[in-house]
Amino acid sequence: GQQLNQSPQSMFIQEGEDVSMNCTSSSIFNTWLWYKQEPGEGPVLLIALYKAGELTSNGRLTAQFGITRKDSFLNISASIPSDVGIYFCAGQLLETSGSRLTFGEGTQLTVNP
Amino acid sequence: NAGVTQTPKFRILKIGQSMTLQCAQDMNHNYMYWYRQDPGMGLKLIYYSVGAGITDKGEVPNGYNVSRSTTEDFPLRLELAAPSQTSVYFCASSYSLAVVAKNIQYFGAGTRLSVL
Repeated sequence: GQQLNQSPQSMFIQEGEDVSMNCTSSSIFNTWLWYKQEPGEGPVLLIALYKAGELTSNGRLTAQFGITRKDSFLNISASIPSDVGIYFCAGQLLETSGSRLTFGEGTQLTVNP
Repeated sequence: NAGVTQTPKFRILKIGQSMTLQCAQDMNHNYMYWYRQDPGMGLKLIYYSVGAGITDKGEVPNGYNVSRSTTEDFPLRLELAAPSQTSVYFCASSYSLAVVAKNIQYFGAGTRLSVL
């Protein structure tokens, strides 16, 4: 099956620092999604990317869909304590039945005030 | 708006017991999904459904069953619980591609299951 490699697995940063995480795949995807999961909650969509090369921002978050369609990155600028959580990338092939998602293993982000 | 609602939030089962995890969505989504999330891992797809009466296996279907008798509900059944099924289970739903081109999955808050 498709594999997504997400890195880093965890990050410990100081408030105000910028953060970068990325995902690479052995397969091409039509869509890349970035979700955030807080303790005791389900994943919540942060950013969706639909075209190779697309760069999209959502407040302090910026994500890009790689030109090869096999990778994506997420940047968080000027981190704050509420950015703490697990960030997941997910790739989607729209041609597959049910438009199934393949998830990365997550990046655990800790922000020290 | 309720979105995707999962019940129960927590459950402890003994080995061999059975239970049904409930999932309901009020967004009129055609597609529904069940995932499991093991500690420190991403989400693995168990089963999915593209509409009422239609279900299909995902990546890790063994030990589980599903049904989809209505658009709104997609229950997940564990017949003989095993310790390997200790996990957090998430239900999600999305529009079908026929309705909107951008197919985003919305998740419930999860059911935390321990099998002892």
